[in-house]
Amino acid sequence: AQSVTQLGSHVSVSEGALVLLRCNYSSSVPPYLFWYVQYPNQGLQLLLKYTSAATLVKGINGFEAEFKKSETSFHLTKPSAHMSDAAEYFCAQGDSSYKLIFGSGTRLLVRP
Amino acid sequence: KAGVTQTPRYLIKTRGQQVTLSCSPISGHRSVSWYQQTPGQGLQFLFEYFSETQRNKGNFPGRFSGRQFSNSRSEMNVSTLELGDSALYLCASSLEGRGTTGELFFGEGSRLTVL
Repeated sequence: AQSVTQLGSHVSVSEGALVLLRCNYSSSVPPYLFWYVQYPNQGLQLLLKYTSAATLVKGINGFEAEFKKSETSFHLTKPSAHMSDAAEYFCAQGDSSYKLIFGSGTRLLVRP
Repeated sequence: KAGVTQTPRYLIKTRGQQVTLSCSPISGHRSVSWYQQTPGQGLQFLFEYFSETQRNKGNFPGRFSGRQFSNSRSEMNVSTLELGDSALYLCASSLEGRGTTGELFFGEGSRLTVL
């Protein structure tokens, strides 16, 4: 069965520091990969998506992710964290049935 | 373009009752999916509808059901509520067709509390 693994349920960074959220997928074929963000009491908002057009994907709010097939990874990064980035982040993999398989989520804490 | 709209946003029920949640997808989107989100289990797929037909179903008991109407609006129903059904229920819509990327657009969710 396909699965998505997010390493670290909580990540804490200082404001202005690099943000790195890790995601590994399992798929034998090129997958569709997504990062979503969820703020408290809200739904999920798409940050970025990989669709095989380019391995480095840029998203909203300064986030980007790099697809590495050899490592089956799709880590999310942002050069400089802002207080408003504090939220929960979900990595997801699309399968052939248009269903998304989500990772368990990583809560990002930003220290002033 | 309006986003995905879910109603109600919050509701409280007691064990044994039933509940119906509603979802209006983005205009032009014909696929509607439902997910349950809980702190312990995370985001779990419930079911997906397209053109009034259930195409995909997750691993939930028969108490969880849904339907889609001809205008693509969808409802999900949970009967004989249990304490463990307390969760945020998220609806998402998407475009259909080959070449689409499976991207889902989510509503803000309906938070159900079962007492």
